[in-house]
Amino acid sequence: GENVEQHPSTLSVQEGDSAVIKCTYSDSASNYFPWYKQELGKRPQLIIDIRSNVGEKKDQRIAVTLNKTAKHFSLHITETQPEDSAVYFCAASIDRKTSYDKVIFGPGTSLSVIP
Amino acid sequence: DVKVTQSSRYLVKRTGEKVFLECVQDMDHENMFWYRQDPGLGLRLIYFSYDVKMKEKGDIPEGYSVSREKKERFSLILESASTNQTSMYLCASSIAGTNTGELFFGEGSRLTVL
Repeated sequence: GENVEQHPSTLSVQEGDSAVIKCTYSDSASNYFPWYKQELGKRPQLIIDIRSNVGEKKDQRIAVTLNKTAKHFSLHITETQPEDSAVYFCAASIDRKTSYDKVIFGPGTSLSVIP
Repeated sequence: DVKVTQSSRYLVKRTGEKVFLECVQDMDHENMFWYRQDPGLGLRLIYFSYDVKMKEKGDIPEGYSVSREKKERFSLILESASTNQTSMYLCASSIAGTNTGELFFGEGSRLTVL
């Protein structure tokens, strides 16, 4: 089955610096790669996702890149702010466009933005 | 706004007790999931369901069962709780058969087994 690895497990950056989190996946059939953010004590929420037909996607200060050949994808956060402090999870799944899809998560990265 | 509600935020049970965790979603989603969250291990899929009365094992189904009698409700059952099942349990739902795979999570149920 699918296996998703994520690095680093913890990351501290100064406010205003950039943060990069990297993930690899094992199943070449995976075609949907979401990123979830979980603030302390709250539920995970989707912040950005990318599908296999594109190599990069941006949304304001966050961007995701995908390299299907190497089976890895990354989250980039620029101009980090204290409210970016959270645990970030990458995930992979196969969007079958049928009635079910199984999402496999990485172990998470705890990001701390130091003011 | 999608709402996924888990019946209990905190539970304390004794070893050997039967435990029910309930989850209800109000957006008519076909897919529902139970994940377990442990530090350093991320979110691990226990079971999922893509239709009423249908269920599929995830990656760590041992010691758990599920029930989906109605579309909006997905229950996780621990037949005989053990201390290694102490964890945060997250329910999620998603729309089936579309281009979006977004999971909508509940607030979580923190279970302690003594």
